[in-house]
Order: sequence, then C-alpha cells, then structure tokens
Amino acid sequence: QSVLTQPPSVSAAPGQKVTISCSGSISNIANNYVSWYQQLPGTAPKLLIYDNNKRPSGIPDRFSGSKSGTSATLGITGLQTGDEADYYCGTWDSSLSAWVFGGGTKLTVL
Amino acid sequence: QVQVVESGGGLVKPGGSLRLSCAASGFTFSDYDMSWIRQAPGKGLEWVSYISGSGNSIYYADSVKGRLTISRDNAKNSLYLQMNSLRAEDTAMYYCARVYKGPDYWGQGTLVTVSS
Repeated sequence: QSVLTQPPSVSAAPGQKVTISCSGSISNIANNYVSWYQQLPGTAPKLLIYDNNKRPSGIPDRFSGSKSGTSATLGITGLQTGDEADYYCGTWDSSLSAWVFGGGTKLTVL
Repeated sequence: QVQVVESGGGLVKPGGSLRLSCAASGFTFSDYDMSWIRQAPGKGLEWVSYISGSGNSIYYADSVKGRLTISRDNAKNSLYLQMNSLRAEDTAMYYCARVYKGPDYWGQGTLVTVSS
C-alpha cells in the first residue's frame, strides 16, 4: 500500500487531454514539493515535473503539474501514442523522513 | 552530460550479501545528494535510501533498515549500497539517482535477484 494514492490506469484518445491524480496528506504533499516521473516500457524513470509545476529542460509544455492542499495532478495534452507509459508521483514525507512514491498510473492512448 | 551508471547486481542466495556501485559523471558529485530506488518485477517504485552530499545525513526505508547501508566516496565520484541479509523480497532493479528537489537523473539500473 503506497503512501501516495494514484489511479491504477487512465486512458484517452490521441490528441486528447488526460489528468492523473496523486493524493497524499499533510506530512507529504501538503508541505513538500511534488515530482512526477514517466517510465516507458523497459526503461528507467524520467523526471517530468519538479517543484509541483516546473519542467526540466527538454520536457515539452504538453506536460503540466499542479498542487492543491494534499493532492497533486499531472496533466498531459495533445496525447501521442509515445506517451503510453507508467507515471509516478513522488515527494518527501516529513513524518516518515522518507521519499514516497505513488503506486503508479498506466496511461493507455487508445 | 549528467550520467549515473549502476553495477554490481546479480544472483545471490537468501541471507547473502552484495555491494552495488554507482559511478557518476557530468556534475560535481559532492554538491549533490544521492538516492537508491528499487523496483520489483512488475511493481512500482520504492525508495530505498538517501545520502547527503557530504555523507553526514542518511535515511533508509523501514523495509531495509539494519540490512542495507548507503555510502559514498566523493573523491571517486561513486555511490554504494552494501546489501546484507538479503531476502527474496529484495529482488528488484536497483536505480541510483541524483537528488535535486527529488530524484532527477536516474541510471539504467542493476538487477538484483535473491533466490536459492
């Protein structure tokens, strides 16, 4: 059971928009920055979003992040088949003194 | 460019030991905190351990406390994970990651299999 809760799967058609939620608590999301990662099949995770809503260089602006209270959201617009991957949220948990991840969300682009 | 490369994985029997290494390049290693993160086959990501740039601050996941030890050698730009008393549930791909406001650059991982 993960400290952060994500939906197991989401799906949408090419060109459409999808959002992935990440629910936590006061000890993690509410008081710390959230990161999002993309893991394509058979590869290592890649940073998509840090500091709740900032994109590293090279990450297209189709990817966005937001946070409100104890929840965070990853948004992806203009979906492409190449976006099919597992997506994870992560943040520091001040009570556990540990970095925590969500259970991951599998994105299917129909 | 920033690069981290893990090595040292393999097949080990339950109760055995293994030492993972992570070679870093493309950044000033001592300026950055580092972490180990693992992923069991078909499962999600699990954070394992963190070490500050100086090595003075260390944290572990409860699941590995007392069995796994993180360390670093800033002169060699290297991060290590000493794994003792290994269990079947430690079987996973182990990733080394640079930490800047969270894990940012990840290696390709090294596979650890604990089986008799």
